[in-house]
Amino acid sequence: EVQLVESGGGLVQPGGSLRLSCAASGFSFSIYSMTWVRQAPGKGLEWVSYISSSSDTVKYADSVTGRFTVSRDNAKNSLYLQMTSLRADDTAVYYCAKKDWVKGLDSWGQGTLVTVSS
Amino acid sequence: EVVMTQSPATLSVSPGERATLSCRASQSLSSNLAWYQQKPGQAPRLLIYGASTRATGIPARFSGTGSGTEFTLTISSLQSEDFAVYYCQQYNNWPETFGQGTKVEIK
Repeated sequence: EVQLVESGGGLVQPGGSLRLSCAASGFSFSIYSMTWVRQAPGKGLEWVSYISSSSDTVKYADSVTGRFTVSRDNAKNSLYLQMTSLRADDTAVYYCAKKDWVKGLDSWGQGTLVTVSS
Repeated sequence: EVVMTQSPATLSVSPGERATLSCRASQSLSSNLAWYQQKPGQAPRLLIYGASTRATGIPARFSGTGSGTEFTLTISSLQSEDFAVYYCQQYNNWPETFGQGTKVEIK
């Protein structure tokens, strides 16, 4: 069974940094691309970032380009999102999701809440 | 960026009735379109991919149609567990984008 477990969320001040992690199990993590998606309170889903299986291709939403960095460690079956220069509008639940080129985002974690506030 | 527009924003349906949700893309997607269901406090769940293929374990009452720029999700006979928010997502172009969602509520 595929399992994705996010961690690292919390309360951070504007301008601060936070690193999210996503621990994967139940599938061959190293051969799948991964994605981060976020959801602000009471709002819809927003695609944030993508990383290929070997980390050679990364993509970002315009809203986070230059501030967020996605990475992965295939030896540890882990995905990361380094977030810097955080703003109030980055407040959201952040989900990691397994990406399949045919199926889209076929497995999701339960999410981790990031709150940016003074 | 491909803009995904879902309609209606809210759909009020009685249990046992049919629900039809629409998703329009600002440019052609071929069939690289997925539908997700999200219940309160839960992560989204993949329902349909490739515009019309049900994901593993998804009941046959869920069906997806369409190609190009116009897509539809139909729930043939709503069950109590189907009341939720539904999102379409295109994965044909970067950035991958979601519609704003359609809330299916009990009438």
